Amino acid sequence: AQKITQTQPGMFVQEKEAVTLDCTYDTSDPSYGLFWYKQPSSGEMIFLIYQGSYDQQNATEGRYSLNFQKARKSANLVISASQLGDSAMYFCAMRVHNFNKFYFGSGTKLNVKP
Amino acid sequence: EAGVAQSPRYKIIEKRQSVAFWCNPISGHATLYWYQQILGQGPKLLIQFQNNGVVDDSQLPKDRFSAERLKGVDSTLKIQPAKLEDSAVYLCASSFDGETQYFGPGTRLLVL
Repeated sequence: AQKITQTQPGMFVQEKEAVTLDCTYDTSDPSYGLFWYKQPSSGEMIFLIYQGSYDQQNATEGRYSLNFQKARKSANLVISASQLGDSAMYFCAMRVHNFNKFYFGSGTKLNVKP
Repeated sequence: EAGVAQSPRYKIIEKRQSVAFWCNPISGHATLYWYQQILGQGPKLLIQFQNNGVVDDSQLPKDRFSAERLKGVDSTLKIQPAKLEDSAVYLCASSFDGETQYFGPGTRLLVL
């Protein structure tokens, strides 16, 4: 069965510090993509970063990096130098290519403290 | 480049009424998705279109929900009749390559 698990319902981080949001996934398909989305209180889902299952290097986009550990089936999001505007819900998602289906985790609410 | 457009942004209806949501994807995006997001949960895929054909509607409650994408561009999602448990945010997303999705602002539905 395909599944995405986010075990941290909520997290706090001090402004300017780094934070890691956990995501584990389960699939037997060798070809998949992993995504992180940010959802502010306004409701719109904002695409942050993508990692393909065959990518050799961890994806990075500005202050966001994805710590991809294939053997452990984890795809943690690292946000460096947190800003107040980073306070939001963060969702991990997976697309399994063989099934052409998307799976979302339950999300992690991040609060950045000044 | 314009993003995914959705309307209305908010809707309040009484149970057993009908409601329709509209979505205009990013120009050139062949794949369009409708999601339901209940408060405190991740989005749940309701239906996926490739151009004007349905790719996946396995989680669409077809007794009350319907969706169409007649010309392969914009799409409507309808609920008829609505139930209290349909209160949620309805998100539309589109994708150029079927991989990365770009979401609209969503429609917040409250069923009383």
